Amino acid sequence: SAVISQKPSRDICQRGTSLTIQCQVDSQVTMMFWYRQQPGQSLTLIATANQGSEATYESGFVIDKFPISRPNLTFSTLTVSNMSPEDSSIYLCSVGTSFGPGTRLTVL
Amino acid sequence: GDSVTQMEGPVTLSEEAFLTINCTYTATGYPSLFWYVQYPGEGLQLLLKATKADDKGSNKGFEATYRKETTSFHLEKGSVQVSDSAVYFCALANFGNEKLTFGTGTRLTIIP
Repeated sequence: SAVISQKPSRDICQRGTSLTIQCQVDSQVTMMFWYRQQPGQSLTLIATANQGSEATYESGFVIDKFPISRPNLTFSTLTVSNMSPEDSSIYLCSVGTSFGPGTRLTVL
Repeated sequence: GDSVTQMEGPVTLSEEAFLTINCTYTATGYPSLFWYVQYPGEGLQLLLKATKADDKGSNKGFEATYRKETTSFHLEKGSVQVSDSAVYFCALANFGNEKLTFGTGTRLTIIP
């Protein structure tokens, strides 16, 4: 299975700012996925990142809030824009059935 | 749309007890089913999976059987250990793609 790394592992941010999370995979993959896990909650799919095309967003998530880049077959970024305390969550990158370690975001 | 319903937690058991965590699903077609585990302070790990009816997934003493007739995928372990304390998530993927739909998670605590 793929080995997935994420940066940063955690961050504390001020409201109104933006944070970009990086996801690196050790092999070339067609689809990468971004999930959100709110405190004490389950995981919810934000979007599918496809190389060479725009990301596909799930209901309730929009590109302006969560822009995604997919410049090549091993890398993707998720930006959380104009953050509010409600964005405090763990953000996870996924390939197939494997997940990255997650980025724990706290917004003050 | 697809959905996964999991047994409400938290669940607290004594060491060596028998564990069952119930999971049922609603989906069109023939989804693949998964159990994930999240240990305290750690990331999400795939515990086991089953891709078709009557398949049994197993790992680390845990088992789950894909029951199409009852749309269930209950997680079982015969004798739990303190180290099994974690949050367990049931999930499905449908139509051959890799998008996962998760249940709400069940927090399991094993006391010595």
